[in-house]
Order: sequence, then C-alpha cells, then structure tokens
Amino acid sequence: KAGVTQTPRYLIKTRGQQVTLSCSPISGHRSVSWYQQTPGQGLQFLFEYFSETQRNKGNFPGRFSGRQFSNSRSEMNVSTLELGDSALYLCASSLTYRGGTDTQYFGPGTRLTVL
Amino acid sequence: AQSVTQLDSQVPVFEEAPVELRCNYSSSVSVYLFWYVQYPNQGLQLLLKYLSGSTLVKGINGFEAEFNKSQTSFHLRKPSVHISDTAEYFCAVARTGNQFYFGTGTSLTVIP
Repeated sequence: KAGVTQTPRYLIKTRGQQVTLSCSPISGHRSVSWYQQTPGQGLQFLFEYFSETQRNKGNFPGRFSGRQFSNSRSEMNVSTLELGDSALYLCASSLTYRGGTDTQYFGPGTRLTVL
Repeated sequence: AQSVTQLDSQVPVFEEAPVELRCNYSSSVSVYLFWYVQYPNQGLQLLLKYLSGSTLVKGINGFEAEFNKSQTSFHLRKPSVHISDTAEYFCAVARTGNQFYFGTGTSLTVIP
C-alpha cells in the first residue's frame, strides 16, 4: 500500500507570496493532519480534517488554512508568507477520527523556504 | 492542554551500548503516548504506542517503552544500539481527536 505522499517536496517563495501544499493520504484513510516543524519550535499541530470538515485547529494565525476533498486528499494554504514560515510541513493520515487511538502515518514533508 | 518534555536534546552513545531516551508529559486525564523516529530528510515513523493495558510496550527495531502513570513518564529504551539508530526521536501525546503534542526531540548519535 502506498504511503502518504506530499507535493512538492521543496518550495522556495518570497515574502508576501502565497503557497499551496498538497497531501495524499494512505488509501482508505479519512483523517489528515498537518504539522509545522522548525528547529526552534519543533513540531506544532496546524489542523486536522476528517470527511472534508476541520475537526481540530492549532494555534496558528488565519494566514494558515486548509481543506480536504471528497477523496480525502488535503491541501494547506499559507497566504502573505513571512520569513518565519520557513519550515518543514508534515502531513499525517490516519484511518478514522477517534480520540487519538489511530496511528498517524507521516509523509516525507514539504520543505518551504521563504526568502 | 498537554505538554511533553524530552529531557535530553542530544544523547551520544557507543554502538552496542544500551540507551534510554526520557519523556515526561503533563496531563490530568488519560492520554495516548507515542514514540516516533525521524531520519534525515524523511517524515516521522512510528516506533511504538501506548493506548492501554500492559505498561511495557514493545516496538519496532528492538525498542521498548514503559508507561509510568505515577511519574507521568514514557521513557524509550533499547538494550543495544546500532549505527543505524542514529536519528531524531520524538515523544508525543494525544488525547482527543488526532491532535498530537510532540516533544522537542532527542537527537541520538551512535558512535562506532
């Protein structure tokens, strides 16, 4: 079974631009979560989607948004990029939304560099 | 909210020696506990998880962890490490939904 795929793997943008990252979960998985990983802050939860609905949201500004499609694929968007948005963005999928008992399977991440 | 503390940011250890990576969490309610490993330029891979039941959990690659409710700890251990175990290790806590709280990570370096 194919794992979680994220595209693109690397991105370079300039301040003020916007960016869209894509995540395809493992086949049959309906929950997709997004995380931001930086050296200073570590791994921080952005949001989670299940059946096209946002179920949980972390403490990030409204510039960070996401959505999930009917095939469970998910996208996250960051508008008006700032230098501090440079990070590895990880997507994780799990089978269902059920109180944290489902193992999250992570993709390889998208490395975003903001210049 | 949950918080996770990984007490050691870097742990050097000689090959074939035992290792323990420490993790403490704060929560007043039951939680689910996980250890993930991250190799360079890769995503996170699940090592093991504690949901309920036996407090000693065995995972992949010879790792195990022990859940200690009274000390709110979930330390990761391996009796004999290999060069290939060099990686970043993350402890995580989850309660409701799939919102995971991660520690800041422990960089394990195995010295030949």
